[in-house]
Amino acid sequence: SQQGEEDPQALSIQEGENATMNCSYKTSINNLQWYRQNSGRGLVHLILIRSNEREKHSGRLRVTLDTSKKSSSLLITASRAADTASYFCATLPGSQGNLIFGKGTKLSVKP
Amino acid sequence: DAGVIQSPRHEVTEMGQEVTLRCKPISGHDYLFWYRQTMMRGLELLIYFNNNVPIDDSGMPEDRFSAKMPNASFSTLKIQPSEPRDSAVYFCASSIVGEQFFGPGTRLTVL
Repeated sequence: SQQGEEDPQALSIQEGENATMNCSYKTSINNLQWYRQNSGRGLVHLILIRSNEREKHSGRLRVTLDTSKKSSSLLITASRAADTASYFCATLPGSQGNLIFGKGTKLSVKP
Repeated sequence: DAGVIQSPRHEVTEMGQEVTLRCKPISGHDYLFWYRQTMMRGLELLIYFNNNVPIDDSGMPEDRFSAKMPNASFSTLKIQPSEPRDSAVYFCASSIVGEQFFGPGTRLTVL
């Protein structure tokens, strides 16, 4: 069954604006990860946040995690046309093993 | 490091034919994952291996699908016989801890 559910399914913004994507999940997790997929390519890992962390930054990316609400958000600040892609959250229920991916948010950044 | 290598990148075949997809994980990674991605169903985990041993194959759709990992540097996903509904992009990913590294995918079209 689907663990991660991203919201919104699609997001269209202008270059320079911030983009916020949300992810909800159902069971307890060891960590939560965000991936990016450009059209026709494989997924690329962006950032990992552990269950005992609340916020993490990487460049223009900011990820938050609220384990009490079983939710996470990915914020991309000062978006660029090159950020146009699909973004997936993925949860790791145990300490190792398979990630469970959501269906993704399709982000379109217009120049 | 060349990353995860998949071959072929594109495969077009006729219904009923056998299809073999190949994957070379990143050296030193002890987990290998096979995914299938379609517009309708999103990214689905088919099977994953740890130290060449299949751990969870519950995502394999039918007996027509089989996967092997004869050694740490090679895995195959076989579909026999193939059907039009198997058309999708198949990704292989490997990991050691945490993040997964995806290959470029094999786009399979079954006519």
